[in-house]
Amino acid sequence: DGGITQSPKYLFRKEGQNVTLSCEQNLNHDAMYWYRQDPGQGLRLIYYSQIVNDFQKGDIAEGYSVSREKKESFPLTVTSAQKNPTAFYLCASSIAGQGNTEAFFGQGTRLTVV
Amino acid sequence: AQSVTQLDSHVSVSEGTPVLLRCNYSSSYSPSLFWYVQHPNKGLQLLLKYTSAATLVKGINGFEAEFKKSETSFHLTKPSAHMSDAAEYFCVVSDISNFGNEKLTFGTGTRLTIIP
Repeated sequence: DGGITQSPKYLFRKEGQNVTLSCEQNLNHDAMYWYRQDPGQGLRLIYYSQIVNDFQKGDIAEGYSVSREKKESFPLTVTSAQKNPTAFYLCASSIAGQGNTEAFFGQGTRLTVV
Repeated sequence: AQSVTQLDSHVSVSEGTPVLLRCNYSSSYSPSLFWYVQHPNKGLQLLLKYTSAATLVKGINGFEAEFKKSETSFHLTKPSAHMSDAAEYFCVVSDISNFGNEKLTFGTGTRLTIIP
């Protein structure tokens, strides 16, 4: 079945550590996105990528980094520079550049700083 | 710049009564609009989308929405609520940014509670 897989579902990080969240899709989509979800704030865009080896900062990119070495994969690293990383992280993908196609979402990763 | 305003953070209705979740948007161009549903600790699922075709859009699970350009609204409705409709609902606008990239902007969400 086609879809987006995020792993792990739950992740715990100690303060000062970097951690990487995985996102893989087999939908053959060019565009991939990372969102952060906090209660009462909806989804905020962290980074997005329209094509392999290229990505752009979203609205809240500080303290995060990404790579897009393969079409299927778009991992997100939460660095120690991110001051408040505890949140629910969602990865999505879509057919790029048309402005009218739906995004498909993974099941999310809940990151907790301990 | 585009934006989305969901007018109610929380809506409660009795089972079997109509549902209305309100959404207003602003966009510089001709936007595409979506409604997504999220159950607790899950990803988002598309309910329906508007892409400049018919202004009344029908989606899954009996939901529908009407695009009203003059009111810049895209409200979500359902004639009769079911217990399984309890979830968080997001209104989303999709547009092409200044760099030619597609960008999704999410509303802050409306939590729908169904009273037995």
